[in-house]
Amino acid sequence: LAKTTQPISMDSYEGQEVNITCSHNNIATNDYITWYQQFPSQGPRFIIQGYKTKVTNEVASLFIPADRKSSTLSLPRVSLSDTAVYYCLVGVRFAGSARQLTFGSGTQLTVLP
Amino acid sequence: GAVVSQHPSRVICKSGTSVKIECRSLDFQATTMFWYRQFPKQSLMLMATSNEGSKATYEQGVEKDKFLINHASLTLSTLTVTSAHPEDSSFYICSTMGTSGGTDTQYFGPGTRLTVL
Repeated sequence: LAKTTQPISMDSYEGQEVNITCSHNNIATNDYITWYQQFPSQGPRFIIQGYKTKVTNEVASLFIPADRKSSTLSLPRVSLSDTAVYYCLVGVRFAGSARQLTFGSGTQLTVLP
Repeated sequence: GAVVSQHPSRVICKSGTSVKIECRSLDFQATTMFWYRQFPKQSLMLMATSNEGSKATYEQGVEKDKFLINHASLTLSTLTVTSAHPEDSSFYICSTMGTSGGTDTQYFGPGTRLTVL
């Protein structure tokens, strides 16, 4: 499974856009990129998943360059409640099958007032 | 996405006792579930893959006789920590498969905080 590298921590202010970049140099052809958010003493919460280019949903955008060796999670206009650890994971998706994801160290995002 | 529950949410037990943690997939029939462990200020570590109707697959370094996994139905997997010791105190999280935007991904339960005295 591809190893991921993220910044250990980031600080931001309320209302700002936050971009968290993850490196995954040895990503394989079948690998998808998934981002999770985790609050203390809670299970990770799915944010967004993509394979290439750009994916957007109601909470975030995911930018993936053509070489797919990195990805950037973009959180628009963060609030204090977005303070959490964000994990970037890379794993294989087989149709109708599950493969485990390997968690990296994650990025502690702290949103300041 | 899939809804996953865990029970109990927290448990305190004495050293030497066994503790069972349940993981339920509420809206999805899960042939595969995963069990993770997370120590304070650390990332999640995969312990084992739970397969419905067959033996679980354990990660290297995880004692299968200590962490018993049973996946008897498509909606329930259990993790039993046998003869628990203080070093087993941790946050245990399960996950199952669901679909988001047509693509399969993993969804996690809320976790179970185990404290062994």
